[in-house]
Amino acid sequence: SAVISQKPSRDICQRGTSLTIQCQVDSQVTMMFWYRQQPGQSLTLIATANQGSEATYESGFVIDKFPISRPNLTFSTLTVSNMSPEDSSIYLCSVEVRRDTTTFGSGTRLTVV
Amino acid sequence: GENVEQHPSTLSVQEGDSAVIKCTYSDSASNYFPWYKQELGKRPQLIIDIRSNVGEKKDQRIAVTLNKTAKHFSLHITETQPEDSAVYFCAASTSGGGADGLTFGKGTHLIIQP
Repeated sequence: SAVISQKPSRDICQRGTSLTIQCQVDSQVTMMFWYRQQPGQSLTLIATANQGSEATYESGFVIDKFPISRPNLTFSTLTVSNMSPEDSSIYLCSVEVRRDTTTFGSGTRLTVV
Repeated sequence: GENVEQHPSTLSVQEGDSAVIKCTYSDSASNYFPWYKQELGKRPQLIIDIRSNVGEKKDQRIAVTLNKTAKHFSLHITETQPEDSAVYFCAASTSGGGADGLTFGKGTHLIIQP
């Protein structure tokens, strides 16, 4: 299966600032996904990122708050903008490396103070 | 959109006994149902999945069953071992393989008592 590198692995940020999370895959993939896992909770899809097109956001998530880039078939970034303590979560990227197999990156643990 | 309900939220079983986790989904168009295991501080790992054209799938001690009519699917773990202790998530997708992303249940904390 694909190897997904996600960084940073963790960060502590001041409220009002922004953090960009990077996701690198060792093979070309059509779609990349970004999920949020709030403390002790399940995973919620933020958006789907296709190379060469605008990301598609799920209900409750907006581009101004979570801008996404997808410059090529192996890389994507998610920015968490104007952070507040409520944004403290684990952010995970995932890819479908072959039909029916979704693999997750190791996640970014974000704490906003 | 899709809604996935998962029960129980916590399950404690004696080592060697079986564990069953149940999920229901709302969207009849859903056709792909994976299960993920997440150990503390680690990423979710796919442990088994099933498609809507199959009623049951087994992989060693783990099995998943699907009832499309009732819109529910279950994870069965037999001969539980301490390393099975983790949080388990069910998920559903309408795109046959997660190509449109996955909708997750809230998770089950499985505790294996020695």
